[in-house]
Amino acid sequence: LAKTTQPISMDSYEGQEVNITCSHNNIATNDYITWYQQFPSQGPRFIIQGYKTKVTNEVASLFIPADRKSSTLSLPRVSLSDTAVYYCLVGGITGGGNKLTFGTGTQLKVEL
Amino acid sequence: GAVVSQHPSWVICKSGTSVKIECRSLDFQATTMFWYRQFPKQSLMLMATSNEGSKATYEQGVEKDKFLINHASLTLSTLTVTSAHPEDSSFYICSATPLGTIPDSPLHFGNGTRLTVT
Repeated sequence: LAKTTQPISMDSYEGQEVNITCSHNNIATNDYITWYQQFPSQGPRFIIQGYKTKVTNEVASLFIPADRKSSTLSLPRVSLSDTAVYYCLVGGITGGGNKLTFGTGTQLKVEL
Repeated sequence: GAVVSQHPSWVICKSGTSVKIECRSLDFQATTMFWYRQFPKQSLMLMATSNEGSKATYEQGVEKDKFLINHASLTLSTLTVTSAHPEDSSFYICSATPLGTIPDSPLHFGNGTRLTVT
């Protein structure tokens, strides 16, 4: 399983764009990259997933360079409610399920 | 869709007693569910993989006799913390992926169970 490295914390202000980069140098050919958001005392919530290039949904964009050794989660115009821990995971299916290992995550703090 | 429900959301028990936590997939079936433990200000740590109809697979360092896992149906997995002690106090989270979905489909997580052992 590919190990991931993220910044421990980031600070931002409301209305700003936030980019969180994750390094995964040992990513395997079959691995996807998935980002989750977690609020205190709640389970992680899926944000976005991608394999290569760029993926965009209603809440975020995910940029993946050609070598796939890193990825960047982009949150446009953050608000106070985006204050949470963001986890980058890479992994593949194992025995019929997705056995994923969580890294340290990035604590994002959004202020007024 | 793809909702995972955990029960209870919090529980307080006395040292030495056992506690059962349920993880249900409400609108999908899952042959595999995962159990995580999370201590304050730390990341999620995978404890075990729960397989429907067979024995669970435990991660290194997790005592299988202390954390009993039963996956009796395609929609229910239970984690029983036996003879709980204060050091077992933690946030326990389960996750699952719908049966038959493509590889690397995102996991769906329950909202967790806060266990406090006094």
